[in-house]
Amino acid sequence: TQLLEQSPQFLSIQEGENLTVYCNSSSVFSSLQWYRQEPGEGPVLLVTVVTGGEVKKLKRLTFQFGDARKDSSLHITAAQPGDTGLYLCAGVNSGYSTLTFGKGTMLLVSP
Amino acid sequence: EAQVTQNPRYLITVTGKKLTVTCSQNMNHEYMSWYRQDPGLGLRQIYYSMNVEVTDKGDVPEGYKVSRKEKRNFPLILESPSPNQTSLYFCASSFSRVLAKNIQYFGAGTRLSVL
Repeated sequence: TQLLEQSPQFLSIQEGENLTVYCNSSSVFSSLQWYRQEPGEGPVLLVTVVTGGEVKKLKRLTFQFGDARKDSSLHITAAQPGDTGLYLCAGVNSGYSTLTFGKGTMLLVSP
Repeated sequence: EAQVTQNPRYLITVTGKKLTVTCSQNMNHEYMSWYRQDPGLGLRQIYYSMNVEVTDKGDVPEGYKVSRKEKRNFPLILESPSPNQTSLYFCASSFSRVLAKNIQYFGAGTRLSVL
């Protein structure tokens, strides 16, 4: 079974700060996805990165896929309270039809 | 409105009493899946279905059954629930099995407690 390690597990910051969340594996994934989950709701897909070295931007969020397709990072610039939530990375397995999720990073942004 | 609907949202039951959690999607999606989410363990896949009458085991299928008799519904059945199945359950659906190219939509979750 492929594993995805996320770090940090918890992050508490002030509004306006920058932060980076990491997602690492010893295995290669065909692609990697990032989700955000709010309390009482299911995860919502933010982005899928497919190519090694790929960088995608979604407003203040920047996602990067490692060259070897084993790791990824999520960088948030000038965090806002609305960014608060559980951030999950998920690797798409080689058969393309299943996901392996990391355990998540709980982000709290205080005003 | 496109959505994945799970029922019930909350359920408390006792060991051994059979239960079914329903999942329905209105997007004509081929792919559906069940996950459980536990503290410290994250989201783990229980079963998935790539089309009607086609189901496959995920990472943690023991103690669960599923069926896919029609495209829109994918119920999760616990024949004899045990306390270790206390968890938060999510149903999800996607247009196709190629998850890298299709958004997987999640339901709002079912919180199950087995006493």
